[in-house]
Amino acid sequence: EIVLTQSPATLSVSPGESATLSCRASQSVGGNLAWYQHKSGQAPGLLIYDASTRATGIPDRFSGSGSGTEFTLTISSLQSEDFAVYYCHQYNKWPRTFGQGTKVEIK
Amino acid sequence: QVLLQESGPGLVRPSETLSLTCTFSGGSISRSYWNWIRQSPGKGPEWLGYISPIGSTDYNPSLTNRVSISQDTSRRQFSLYLYSVTAADTAVYYCARLQGGSWYLDLWGRGTLVTVSS
Repeated sequence: EIVLTQSPATLSVSPGESATLSCRASQSVGGNLAWYQHKSGQAPGLLIYDASTRATGIPDRFSGSGSGTEFTLTISSLQSEDFAVYYCHQYNKWPRTFGQGTKVEIK
Repeated sequence: QVLLQESGPGLVRPSETLSLTCTFSGGSISRSYWNWIRQSPGKGPEWLGYISPIGSTDYNPSLTNRVSISQDTSRRQFSLYLYSVTAADTAVYYCARLQGGSWYLDLWGRGTLVTVSS
């Protein structure tokens, strides 16, 4: 199965600053990568699909890039509601797999 | 607006069967693949399997034939069965939708915690 490795595990950021999250795949997933935001007790929410396409209603401070094995999620000018755990997910091959997550916390 | 809601027992005894149901409301189901995902404490999410619009299924090989998924479209529900559970199956279980043609999970439920313990 494809292993997704996210880094860093935790990112401490001040409100208004930007955050860069990384996701590396053990083999190419093409552009078939999504990013999710998860807050405790809530349903995970789709942010980005096809590596760089924002889901409906997602503000443009969220951007995704990359292809193949290296992907990045950038959150510019972090707002209070952005502090959460972020997961990458590949849907190029079965079984579908997820990264371990990056927690973005308030510095 | 499509909503997903998981339901089922929060406690299951070791060696028994974990059974959960996901009820979906709103939206078209004609292209929807219904998935189960779980997340154990301290780990990333793990995809368990799906059931397709025509009732075909696919499961994560890691579960070694312990899992099955069924659906009742008339009641807008699909169910997860995990057999011979152990403490390692303790997790938050989520149902999620994937739409044929796009293939990413676009909608999730809030999840339900299932603890395996005697």
